[in-house]
Amino acid sequence: QVQLVQSGAEMKKPGASVKVSCKASGYMFTKYGITWVRQAPGQGLEWMGWITPHNGDIDYAKKFRGRVTMTADKPTSTVSMELIDLRSDDTAVYFCTRGQWYLDYWGQGTLVTVSS
Amino acid sequence: DIQMTQSPSSLSASVGDRVTITCRASQSVSAYLNWYQQKPGKAPNLLIHAVSSLQSGVPSNFSGSGSASGTDFTLTISSLQPEDSAIYLCQQTYSTPFTFGPGTKVDIK
Repeated sequence: QVQLVQSGAEMKKPGASVKVSCKASGYMFTKYGITWVRQAPGQGLEWMGWITPHNGDIDYAKKFRGRVTMTADKPTSTVSMELIDLRSDDTAVYFCTRGQWYLDYWGQGTLVTVSS
Repeated sequence: DIQMTQSPSSLSASVGDRVTITCRASQSVSAYLNWYQQKPGKAPNLLIHAVSSLQSGVPSNFSGSGSASGTDFTLTISSLQPEDSAIYLCQQTYSTPFTFGPGTKVDIK
């Protein structure tokens, strides 16, 4: 069955960086893109961008360009999302999801807390 | 960026009721409109993609429709069940950033 398993919760100080990983299984990794979406506490969903593992194509939301890097490792079927220069308003649950035009499978979410 | 709005922001209905949720885009998104259900503490679950295509495994009492203008969309639950208590969100995937609506909270009376 399709599964996306994310790395564990992180606590970071302002200005630090965080890297969240997402290991895919149960399907052909290179056939689908991976989209990252985040959700601040009590807030709505925010689209961050996507990566296509097949060829490494990337599209980041303008809001995050310069701070976010998404990478895909085909041998391990793992996608990672690194966010640098963290601020308190980056505190959120970060989800990896399968797909680009619609998101049919989701990881369990990774809580990233940014606090001094 | 395309702005997505939803109405109502919340509703309360009885088991068996027909429930309709509306999503409006600030400009046409053609047929690139999806609906998700999110329960507390859980990741969203895809219900419908491309306006009206029911995702595999989703009960048939969920349906979606849209207007010819590509700006107005509806999610309908034909017969509300207790397990349908959740937040429902729309998402456009016509133009990046692929924005989500703010959500409609559905409670069971």
